[in-house]
Amino acid sequence: AQSVTQLGSHVSVSEGALVLLRCNYSSSVPPYLFWYVQYPNQGLQLLLKYTSAATLVKGINDFEAEFKKSETSFHLTKPSAHMSDAAEYFCAVRGDSNYQLIWGAGTKLIIKP
Amino acid sequence: GAVVSQHPSRVICKSGTSVKIECRSLDFQATTMFWYRQFPKQSLMLMATSNEGSKATYEQGVEKDKFLINHASLTLSTLTVTSAHPEDSSFYICSARRLAGGSDEQFFGPGTRLTVL
Repeated sequence: AQSVTQLGSHVSVSEGALVLLRCNYSSSVPPYLFWYVQYPNQGLQLLLKYTSAATLVKGINDFEAEFKKSETSFHLTKPSAHMSDAAEYFCAVRGDSNYQLIWGAGTKLIIKP
Repeated sequence: GAVVSQHPSRVICKSGTSVKIECRSLDFQATTMFWYRQFPKQSLMLMATSNEGSKATYEQGVEKDKFLINHASLTLSTLTVTSAHPEDSSFYICSARRLAGGSDEQFFGPGTRLTVL
């Protein structure tokens, strides 16, 4: 069985500062891991995904995430926050059956001017 | 890129009425679609898996007679909320699974905001 834990329901950073959103997973099989972003009243947009290739994955809008098997982590980072990055971010792992996605609780990213 | 649409984007209805939400994959065929429900400030809750040509698979605790799912074609799945009540008010999101070129990915619709008065 798989599960996902996102540390911090809210993360606040200043514009231009480093963004770090934490995600830890558990999985009995090699995981496929995803980060999605959701803007207010909108659906989800895929930021990036790990599918057992390179451990450092680059996504859209300068986001990247590193898969660390020893730490069972897949933290999302961005070097310099922009006001437009304010949104809800969800980490997910693909489930064993039926290709379902198992979701973290989400982290709301707040950008301070 | 793959596009998934939902219609309507927003609906307000009276208690006791039924509401149908459509999910369409616009440029690919999807044998599997997923329906999620999202409460304010919470994560997505999988309601059911919709399979083209067969019955949907519902998650534990989701009433199949309340939330009717029909996957009539490879590009269309519908969710009907029957006899809606105010507690059914929520944001409903669908996703469609695309298998192509060795990749297996879900693409999400923009969501439907349901408000039951």
